[in-house]
Amino acid sequence: NAGVMQNPRHLVRRRGQEARLRCSPMKGHSHVYWYRQLPEEGLKFMVYLQKENIIDESGMPKERFSAEFPKEGPSILRIQQVVRGDSAAYFCASSPTSTSMFTPNTGELFFGEGSRLTVL
Amino acid sequence: AQTVTQSQPEMSVQEAETVTLSCTYDTSENNYYLFWYKQPPSRQMILVIRQEAYKQQNATENRFSVNFQKAAKSFSLKISDSQLGDTAMYFCAFTSRNTGNQFYFGTGTSLTVIP
Repeated sequence: NAGVMQNPRHLVRRRGQEARLRCSPMKGHSHVYWYRQLPEEGLKFMVYLQKENIIDESGMPKERFSAEFPKEGPSILRIQQVVRGDSAAYFCASSPTSTSMFTPNTGELFFGEGSRLTVL
Repeated sequence: AQTVTQSQPEMSVQEAETVTLSCTYDTSENNYYLFWYKQPPSRQMILVIRQEAYKQQNATENRFSVNFQKAAKSFSLKISDSQLGDTAMYFCAFTSRNTGNQFYFGTGTSLTVIP
């Protein structure tokens, strides 16, 4: 049972280019979360998606960032016109259900290995 | 708003010894989950242990145990018989149904196990 798969593991972009990060959740998981980790910092929530729906994007910068989780295929985090401050590790996580308090096996996120974006 | 605080940026422990990592949090929720995640140099986040706030009994997973003090909003992780493979960043995290499925993470504690 493959875990959460992220690609690319490493991505280098020049300022102004676009970055696309992909995440395939664990089999059977329909909830995907994106987190950003800046150097020497913890993980910051960006967005939570279910298939074809953005549930919570309160952590997403208002401009240049977008995310999708189509009915078929991986979730994609897209960063347009990248700047040096976008350099970070981007982690995807999935869960089988909503992290509701009232379902069994709740509350655990399964993380991918992350995608490290470097903006030159 | 929920916040998670880890006040120990770095810690070290001798192999086979015991170490405790601190975590405090702030919330007005009554039902929530707390977690410790481990991030080894390979960078993949791995769940270490989970605690449901409505359970009074402290969670235990082999050499890992927590000291959950709900009134004090404290959630420390104790690692017994430390092993070299325990060297990693450790993140404390919080979530609840009412936080919109967000997980809130602390800034992490870098633990080094010394042979």
